[in-house]
Amino acid sequence: GEEVAQTPKHLVRGEGQKAKLYCAPIKGHSYVFWYQQVLKNEFKFLISFQNENVFDETGMPKERFSAKCLPNSPCSLEIQATKLEDSAVYFCASSATGGLYNEQFFGPGTRLTVL
Amino acid sequence: GQQVMQIPQYQHVQEGEDFTTYCNSSTTLSNIQWYKQRPGGHPVFLIQLVKSGEVKKQKRLTFQFEEAKKNSSLHITATQTTDVGTYFCAGRDSNYQLIWGAGTKLIIKP
Repeated sequence: GEEVAQTPKHLVRGEGQKAKLYCAPIKGHSYVFWYQQVLKNEFKFLISFQNENVFDETGMPKERFSAKCLPNSPCSLEIQATKLEDSAVYFCASSATGGLYNEQFFGPGTRLTVL
Repeated sequence: GQQVMQIPQYQHVQEGEDFTTYCNSSTTLSNIQWYKQRPGGHPVFLIQLVKSGEVKKQKRLTFQFEEAKKNSSLHITATQTTDVGTYFCAGRDSNYQLIWGAGTKLIIKP
């Protein structure tokens, strides 16, 4: 598609439950990025993919967070055993290439609320 | 690690006044991008600056990338209600990583 699609729009989970978020990048884009934005507005980079391969995972809290981008499927971000501090808006972005000059196109985000 | 500091965190202006946000990097950047996020929305790409000393304009918005490629600014002349939102800079380091500033929220006083 012409836009980055993210589902669901809102997700509510009890503490300790699993949360799974999905992202479909713009058709033809090779790179996918996941960000976490909490109330203070600052973007925290989590992970990026080049096609189905992890490109950069330096921001990923590996204990409970995992992500995949499989061929012919939406990318996913999964949080096992959610905690209250995981409440945030999770944005997915895609870019045509990962090179120096490519802008990122953002999806509308998934708002995760952990109760 | 490398950081991009963005100031101020908030700026309250009367409609018609000017607005400026600044980004400062601890190291030289390959380029810098600017994004705007409307309240409740997602970031939208505005512009990219690549060259040392580059200045680009988009109507009332002026973007600068200073000579040493560590600092950048966005200036809006005569703000309008449609300018409300948070403006983010994102600097590209030598490892191709995009380092985001914390954003400056533009608030128009009623």
